[in-house]
Amino acid sequence: DSGVTQTPKHLITATGQRVTLRCSPRSGDLSVYWYQQSLDQGLQFLIQYYNGEERAKGNILERFSAQQFPDLHSELNLSSLELGDSALYFCASSVVGRNTEAFFGQGTRLTVV
Amino acid sequence: DQQVKQNSPSLSVQEGRISILNCDYTNSMFDYFLWYKKYPAEGPTFLISISSIKDKNEDGRFTVFLNKSAKHLSLHIVPSQPGDSAVYFCAASVGGSQGNLIFGKGTKLSVKP
Repeated sequence: DSGVTQTPKHLITATGQRVTLRCSPRSGDLSVYWYQQSLDQGLQFLIQYYNGEERAKGNILERFSAQQFPDLHSELNLSSLELGDSALYFCASSVVGRNTEAFFGQGTRLTVV
Repeated sequence: DQQVKQNSPSLSVQEGRISILNCDYTNSMFDYFLWYKKYPAEGPTFLISISSIKDKNEDGRFTVFLNKSAKHLSLHIVPSQPGDSAVYFCAASVGGSQGNLIFGKGTKLSVKP
């Protein structure tokens, strides 16, 4: 158990809909990251938050957005969903500091039908 | 354009023998490298890392080697055990940042009893 909790574990929704994925980081971790893993693809970095503020952006679509709340949990919002958005979405968290590893949650499997 | 490449999608090894997983990268700015292991239906689990100022890091049965001139790193598992069967991801980052990782597509290791 990494200590990072993601809900829900599975989500099935229709094209055009909007969903929210939730992540609770490990206790004490200020940084939260979101990654997407599509079929046969490696993990693609989407976005990072640090203590409530956006720190870095990767290959995140404009239809996607995220935020980190004062209690440090984070939400990833996916809107106008398309079939190609079907993927595993992972949240990770880490402590502050150079060269420290990120701990990943179990992921949310999103299926868009 | 893949900055981190794992050219072998799969590898099969006999129990007790050495497993060698390879990873190549193109971005000379990468200065921190990590290996993650992933079992089905779980999130990636951190395995071992190496800073670009080193050429080797060892942790029990796992050793990571870094060849900066060749932009190549490898993970050695000795001896391999059936429980090591998983997908192994190589990841890299710039500036030692702990979570904005660029991942390879992974190598599926099967260790046969």
